[in-house]
Amino acid sequence: SAVISQKPSRDICQRGTSLTIQCQVDSQVTMMFWYRQQPGQSLTLIATANQGSEATYESGFVIDKFPISRPNLTFSTLTVSNMSPEDSSIYLCSVGGVGGLFSYEQYFGPGTRLTVT
Amino acid sequence: DQQVKQNSPSLSVQEGRISILNCDYTNSMFDYFLWYKKYPAEGPTFLISISSIKDKNEDGRFTVFLNKSAKHLSLHIVPSQPGDSAVYFCAASPTGGGNKLTFGTGTQLKVEL
Repeated sequence: SAVISQKPSRDICQRGTSLTIQCQVDSQVTMMFWYRQQPGQSLTLIATANQGSEATYESGFVIDKFPISRPNLTFSTLTVSNMSPEDSSIYLCSVGGVGGLFSYEQYFGPGTRLTVT
Repeated sequence: DQQVKQNSPSLSVQEGRISILNCDYTNSMFDYFLWYKKYPAEGPTFLISISSIKDKNEDGRFTVFLNKSAKHLSLHIVPSQPGDSAVYFCAASPTGGGNKLTFGTGTQLKVEL
């Protein structure tokens, strides 16, 4: 497994503003993902963060709203842009392929609880 | 379109007894299945997984059963302990899916003394 940290752990933001969430892993990983868990809902994949290239977004999510960076094998950021109350969720970073070895298992960070007022 | 479903939003079990959590899926392309446990204010923690070439995988108190023909899997916890009280999610990954996981809606397990 891997140790994953996220910053910030929580934030309260005003509508129309943007928030950047950071995800740091203690070892090199092949895959990094960003998920959203809306209140009372399951986890929904937003995008796969690709190192050195544009992220791969799932249906319903777009780069303008959720720009993602992944400059190296241990770090990624997710920005939630032009926020509205509907963006209030827990945002989770996960990793796969710890140490460069393929595996289906993903390991999750502690999450960032975002409230938009 | 919910491809992975957990029809029981909650389950209550006495300490020491067996907990059985169920999960159904609709996508025939899913070939790897995982269970995660989630405590409040924490990220999901990986518990156990199973490949579609198997019908059972066991790890300590946790056993996962897969019935491919019924598109059904279950997680058995024996014996259940109060620390097992959490939300349990099943997840599935398709062939060639690049590790992408589709999660179920979750089941809140409460283990009572």
